[in-house]
Parts: sequence; C-alpha cells; structure tokens
Amino acid sequence: GDSVTQMEGPVTLSEEAFLTINCTYTATGYPSLFWYVQYPGEGLQLLLKATKADDKGSNKGFEATYRKETTSFHLEKGSVQVSDSAVYFCALNRYGQNFVFGPGTRLSVLP
Amino acid sequence: GAGVSQSPSNKVTEKGKDVELRCDPISGHTALYWYRQSLGQGLEFLIYFQGNSAPDKSGLPSDRFSAERTGGSVSTLTIQRTQQEDSAVYLCASSLEGQGQAPLHFGNGTRLTVT
Repeated sequence: GDSVTQMEGPVTLSEEAFLTINCTYTATGYPSLFWYVQYPGEGLQLLLKATKADDKGSNKGFEATYRKETTSFHLEKGSVQVSDSAVYFCALNRYGQNFVFGPGTRLSVLP
Repeated sequence: GAGVSQSPSNKVTEKGKDVELRCDPISGHTALYWYRQSLGQGLEFLIYFQGNSAPDKSGLPSDRFSAERTGGSVSTLTIQRTQQEDSAVYLCASSLEGQGQAPLHFGNGTRLTVT
C-alpha cells in the first residue's frame, strides 16, 4: 500500500540556518503531495502542496518540489526563524483514496 | 468562512464510560476523516467517509470504536467502555474531494482524557 517516510527528528537548528526535512513516498499512480505543519498547541494546517511531477509548492518561505524520479518531496527553507518551531508532516493522497501521513518531524529553532 | 468544528474541545471521562465526539465539516466537503494523535506522536488514521460510499473503517483499533456520518455532513465518533489507552487528541478533517488534489482541513481536535 501507499506509504510516506520522513526523516526522524527532532531537528534542532539555530535561527537563520538552512532547513531540509526529507520526505519520500511509495504509491501507485500519481498522488498529490502535501506538507502540513502543527504549531505547539494548535491543529494541523496545510503548509504547501504539489499535484504533479516537477511542481513546486511554496508558502511562508518554505518550498518543496515533487520529484517523481526519486519519489521525494523534501521540504526546504533558506533561513529558519524561532517561530518555525513545529511538527511537520508529509502526506500524499490519490483520488478516491485515504490520505497517508508520515510520522512527523519535530523542528526546534533556537535564537 | 467557518472551518471544521469539533466538540467538545476537552473531555474527561471515567474508565468504562461511553463518549461521543462530534465533528462539523466545512459545508460542501464530501470527504471526512477521523484521526487520533497521542501525546508527541503522529497521526493514526481511524475512519474515512467519502460521499455515499461505504466508509473505510480499516483504522478503527477495536470494536469499541464506531463512527457515523448523518446526511453527508455531521459525524460522530463513539467510543464505548473507554480505556486509559484511549486518551489522546481526536482530530477530524474534511476535504472537497476532487482528483485527489484537495487538501485536508483539520479541526482543533477533542482532547480525551480517560481517568
């Protein structure tokens, strides 16, 4: 069945550091890919998405590119802030199927 | 517009009691999901409703758990004879099902504590 794998956390960075959170997936067909973020004490929010190969999703300085050849959707940000501290979930969805989420990666950004 | 609404936001119950958790999805959203999130853990899929199709119940952990969705809108998750291991945040999400491209919109969850 479909699955999503994320790098294990927690990830701890200093403010203004470069961030990469790896995400790879296994799925038949052509899923859409998503990153969700959960800030402390809050619910999950959509961060960005990409619906086909080579699409780049972007939001709040975060980017991720849908790479079908490597089945990856790595999340990147050039300069993280303390306010980016949260748990990040990679997810995929195919038409008519259940969403599949990765286990989440906790990011802590230190001032 | 209104987002996904869940009630109650917090529920404390005694072991062995039944509880009902409610979810009001975004109007017009045909897909509705229930997830469970234990402290510091990821999302555990419970059940998925899509339109008039039979729900995908493959994630329900035991027969003490059940869910229904009335009129294609409001959903209720029922846990019978609660156990301490049921303590978690129960999240509801809905989406406008398209070609698999529609994102999920999450509610703020119900925090269930079984004492």
